[in-house]
Amino acid sequence: GEDVEQSLFLSVREGDSSVINCTYTDSSSTYLYWYKQEPGAGLQLLTYIFSNMDMKQDQRLTVLLNKKDKHLSLRIADTQTGDSAIYFCAESKTAGNKLTFGGGTRVLVKP
Amino acid sequence: DTEVTQTPKHLVMGMTNKKSLKCEQHMGHRAMYWYKQKAKKPPELMFVYSYEKLSINESVPSRFSPECPNSSLLNLHLHALQPEDSALYLCASRAGTSGRGNTQYFGPGTRLTVL
Repeated sequence: GEDVEQSLFLSVREGDSSVINCTYTDSSSTYLYWYKQEPGAGLQLLTYIFSNMDMKQDQRLTVLLNKKDKHLSLRIADTQTGDSAIYFCAESKTAGNKLTFGGGTRVLVKP
Repeated sequence: DTEVTQTPKHLVMGMTNKKSLKCEQHMGHRAMYWYKQKAKKPPELMFVYSYEKLSINESVPSRFSPECPNSSLLNLHLHALQPEDSALYLCASRAGTSGRGNTQYFGPGTRLTVL
């Protein structure tokens, strides 16, 4: 079956880089996403990557995909206090209607 | 514009009440979703509408009744809910095509409390 796993918690100092990791089991996953959720809010799409890519960069965000190990990471450069939130990775198939979410990583940025 | 709107933002209801949640998008997306999210958990899929037809029901109890009156609007009708149904209810939409169209965009959610 499909499974997406993330570590529960990450603490980082303001100005440092954060790296959030995610592993998935389904080799047919084609699209991989990172969503951010602040307290009491909905999910904000941060970025996504196709499975035929190794890396994608978007301003402070860098996504790395190791398809062989089924490992996805999100690096946030120069982490700010506004980056404190829960980050969910998710995967879907090419024509799928469903997202499979990881359990979420709570990121706490300390001044 | 990638905005999905949801109303109301907060809802408190008794177990005998009937209420509705509303979701709207004007991006021309053809797939719309309802999710339920409990605290500190990922969203759980409830229903999917594709081209205004119900395509997925994840074995949701009948006290939740979805409706898609048109391609921009999705409702969730609530009746005889239980306290354990208290959660954040999220709506999402997807363009329904391949590539970037496979991305789901979420609304801000409705925080539901059942007394």
